[in-house]
Order: sequence, then structure tokens, then C-alpha cells
Amino acid sequence: QLQLQESGPGLVKPSETLSLTCTVSGGSISSSSYYWGWIRQPPGKGLEWIGSIYYSGSTYYNPSLKSRVTISVDTSKNQFSLKLSSVTAADTAVYYCARHQIIVVVPAAMSGTFDPWGQGTLVTVSS
Amino acid sequence: EIVLTQSPGTLSLSPGERATLSCRASQSVSSSYLAWYQQKPGQAPRLLIYGASSRATGIPDRFSGSGSGTDFTLTISRLEPEDFAVYYCQQYGSSNTFGQGTKLEIK
Repeated sequence: QLQLQESGPGLVKPSETLSLTCTVSGGSISSSSYYWGWIRQPPGKGLEWIGSIYYSGSTYYNPSLKSRVTISVDTSKNQFSLKLSSVTAADTAVYYCARHQIIVVVPAAMSGTFDPWGQGTLVTVSS
Repeated sequence: EIVLTQSPGTLSLSPGERATLSCRASQSVSSSYLAWYQQKPGQAPRLLIYGASSRATGIPDRFSGSGSGTDFTLTISRLEPEDFAVYYCQQYGSSNTFGQGTKLEIK
């Protein structure tokens, strides 16, 4: 059974870089059928897709966050990671990683459903 | 960007009743690329429906999805106690966007 687990600091100072890692177990991150994505959820609010990565390193990002986001992959460790720079209080959220089923891939965008998800990790931006 | 609007914001029903949740898109969702997720407090979302009407693996048949174009519906035919949760729709025909959620609470 595929499982995903987020890890990283729960507290980040404003203007610094948020860094999280997602470890995939029970399956290979090098599957040709999937991307691997990050989604966040501010406290009491809805879901926002951040971006996704293929095992080859190909990435797609939410245009609203693109200038601050970097997602990378380490196939040897079956992990992928998120970096979000210049964070503010508005970036406080539960961050989820998930397997991202490939449905549509075009030069400018990639989309699909998310299943399964990690349990999520709360990241608070505060001094 | 396709904006998804879910209604109602909160739905109060009793176990055994039928629930109807709506998701409306700001423009047509290509190929009915619309999914529904269930989220319980303190848990990650779980995929229920994809392709507007196909149930994900292990999802009970009391959950059904319908719709096309800009109007989509999630129906729970007979509510069980474990169905009270927040439900989100997601379109994946043009990038990936989510609705703001509908909270299904016990009346």
C-alpha cells in the first residue's frame, strides 16, 4: 500500500525559506504514470495546489506561487521536496504531499487527481 | 483560471437522509475532469469521485457523482454517521483548482 509522509520544520521565520520533504513508501517514485505533488491548506480554509514533479525532474507550478516555489526529486531516496522562499504569515498552512495522477500534460500545464495523500504537516510562519 | 464555487457552504442533515452537494465552474470543465474529495477533521482529503462520475477504489456505492460542463453534483444516497465531513470538488481539465468546500454536518 502506497504511503506518503511529510517531514520538516514546523516553524519558519518570515522572509525565510520553508523546506519540506515527502518520503514515499510501498511503491516507486519512478513510476511513469504519476507526478508527485504538494498541496496546502491554511487553517480553516480550502485547498491550494502548489506544484508537482515527475521522477525525471519535470515540474509544473501554480502560477500564483511559481516565483517562490522549487520542487525537486531524489529517486535514490524515493523522496521529493518543496522549497518556498520569502514566506509570510499567509503561508501558514498544513502542507500535504500526494501522488498526482497524470490526466492532462501540455507544454504549459499538467493536471490530474490526487490520491493518496500524506497525513499533512502544519507549518507556521512566525518570528 | 477556472474558479469552482460549491454550495451550500454548510448542509445540515440527519443520518439516513439524502445529501446533494453542488459544484459550479466559472467555465466549462473539459472532458468532465471533475473530482470530489472527503476530508474529516484532522485528516487528509480522500479521493471519492473522478471523471465526474467514477468512484475511486473502495468508495461505497452510496456516493455518486454527476454533471458536465459547468455544473456538477455529488450525491450521498443515504447518510451514514461517518459521512459527516467537508467535501471539496477539484477540476483538472485546466491546471488544478479546488472549490472552497461544503461542510456536511449532523442536524
